[in-house]
Amino acid sequence: NAGVTQTPKFQVLKTGQSMTLQCAQDMNHNSMYWYRQDPGMGLRLIYYSASEGTTDKGEVPNGYNVSRLNKREFSLRLESAAPSQTSVYFCASSERLAGDQETQYFGPGTRLLVL
Amino acid sequence: AQSVTQLDSQVPVFEEAPVELRCNYSSSVSVYLFWYVQYPNQGLQLLLKYLSGSTLVKGINGFEAEFNKSQTSFHLRKPSVHISDTAEYFCAVSKVGSARQLTFGSGTQLTVLP
Repeated sequence: NAGVTQTPKFQVLKTGQSMTLQCAQDMNHNSMYWYRQDPGMGLRLIYYSASEGTTDKGEVPNGYNVSRLNKREFSLRLESAAPSQTSVYFCASSERLAGDQETQYFGPGTRLLVL
Repeated sequence: AQSVTQLDSQVPVFEEAPVELRCNYSSSVSVYLFWYVQYPNQGLQLLLKYLSGSTLVKGINGFEAEFNKSQTSFHLRKPSVHISDTAEYFCAVSKVGSARQLTFGSGTQLTVLP
């Protein structure tokens, strides 16, 4: 069980370039998430997907698009990267436990630098 | 909307000393509460969570937290820390009924000194 995996681990982009961050989970979870982590700000939700075929905006969706390709995979795309998108990006997935509570499990992160 | 405040951004402590990392939250509805730990260059790992029931919650690696509804707090404690506990710790909250959306605090860097 690899849990949540992310590729790439590191990426350097020039302003205006595009790229896709990949995330996969092998825990058969329904829900998946993309967060960004910036110094002194904790993690902020970019997009999430409650189930295959659905996606919803989080707190900071501008400049990003997502695709829930299947139950396992949830990708994050930057169409035209900006320096403000320099951050560490985390993917997570969650399972539903008793009632409506869900526990999220995180991947190792992708460190992105936009020059 | 909920919010989470972690009152200390940095907490240095000597090895084998006790530690408390403080977390306060604000919400107009009932919440679930979580503590996550992030070791250098790694993702977040769940330490413990409060869903309901006993207000004292025990987690992994000897950590525990106490939910105090009247003070809207969920402080994390460990009676004796090790060098390996050096990491960043995040408190998070989700609304009961909207449990997928976690709101995180800004984190507390715990540094354990020899």
